[in-house]
Order: sequence, then structure tokens, then C-alpha cells
Amino acid sequence: AQKVTQTQTSISVMEKTTVTMDCVYETQDSSYFLFWYKQTASGEIVFLIRQDSYKKENATVGHYSLNFQKPKSSIGLIITATQIEDSAVYFCAMREFTNAYKVIFGKGTHLHVLP
Amino acid sequence: NAGVIQTPRHKVTGKGQEATLWCEPISGHSAVFWYRQTIVQGLEFLTYFRNQAPIDDSGMPKERFSAQMPNQSHSTLKIQSTQPQDSAVYLCASSFDWGGDGQNTLYFGAGTRLSVL
Repeated sequence: AQKVTQTQTSISVMEKTTVTMDCVYETQDSSYFLFWYKQTASGEIVFLIRQDSYKKENATVGHYSLNFQKPKSSIGLIITATQIEDSAVYFCAMREFTNAYKVIFGKGTHLHVLP
Repeated sequence: NAGVIQTPRHKVTGKGQEATLWCEPISGHSAVFWYRQTIVQGLEFLTYFRNQAPIDDSGMPKERFSAQMPNQSHSTLKIQSTQPQDSAVYLCASSFDWGGDGQNTLYFGAGTRLSVL
């Protein structure tokens, strides 16, 4: 069954430090896509970064990067040099090939970046 | 590109009334998703259309919820006999169906906040 789990409900970090948010997933597929989305205080949900399961290199976009550990079914989001405006809820998501490409989300991690 | 458009932004209904929520996906996107967001449950998958055809409605409460996509430019989510527990933010998202880089990303609308009194 398709499942995405984020165990960290809330994290607080000091500005300009690095934070890692955890996500583990369950899938029977050999091919799938993993995503991280950010929901701001206004409620807007925006795409941040994606990892294709068949790619060994960790994806990087700006100050976001991923720690993809396929044997552990884990996809961590790393934010370096955090800024106040990074404060938001971060969702991990998975899209499977055989499950008609349905997208399932974790419950989210609330990141608080403190000055 | 105006993005995914959802109307209304806020809807207040009385218990037992019907609520219809509208979604206009991004032009060219063939996949449309509906999610419900609450504090307790997070982002719950409701249903999914692909090229206007319903593919998976496994997340829909069967008795009172229904969704349609009569054409490629809009989808509706209808809730009959609304109950207080239906209060939530209902989010619509669209994407390309499947393909190369960048084509699997979901783009979300701003959501409709439904309040059932």
C-alpha cells in the first residue's frame, strides 16, 4: 500500500542554520516520484523539489537538497542557511507508477525559523 | 497562466445543506486531484481524474460526496447534506499526467474553506 510518513510534527531552528526534515515511504513500485511541498502561512502550497526513484544523485534546488536513501525508503529534505521566510509547513509526497499516478502526502512538518 | 482557480474561497453552509466547490485546472493539465485538509488529518486524498475520467475515488466518503469533471476546464466537488465534520479546506490540484522532468509536479489552487454550522 502507498504510504508516506513524516514523524516530526514541529521543528524549531535558529536562522542561518541547516535543518533536515525526515520522510519515509512505502511502495510496491520499482518506479516512483518523491516530492517536497511547502505550505506558507497564507495557505499557498508550492512545489519545492523532486527526486525520481531511478536517479542515484540527490536532487538540489537552491538551498533545498534531498537525502535519498532508497534501501531505507527515506527521502529527507535539507534546508541550508535557513531564513525566517522558510517558516512554513513542509509536506513530503509520493507518486507511484502503478497506482495510476495518485499522489499521497505525509502529514507535514511545521518548521519554525527563529531570529 | 492564472494557475489553478478554485471558487468560492470561502463557503458557509448550514448543517444538511448542499455545497458545490469548483476547480479550474491549469490549461493543458490532464490530471486533476481533490484533497481535503484538516489540522488532524492533514492532506487527505479524495479523488483523481485523468483526461476527465474518474480514476480513483478511494478517499471520497461514499454517501454524500461526489465529484465530476464534465470538461477539461473544470471539475466540481459536491457535498450533500453537509455535516460539521465536513468543515475543512478543500484543495484542487492539477498536473500533466505523466512524463519527463517537471511534468509530474502538482500545482495547487488556493483552496475553498468550507464551514458547516
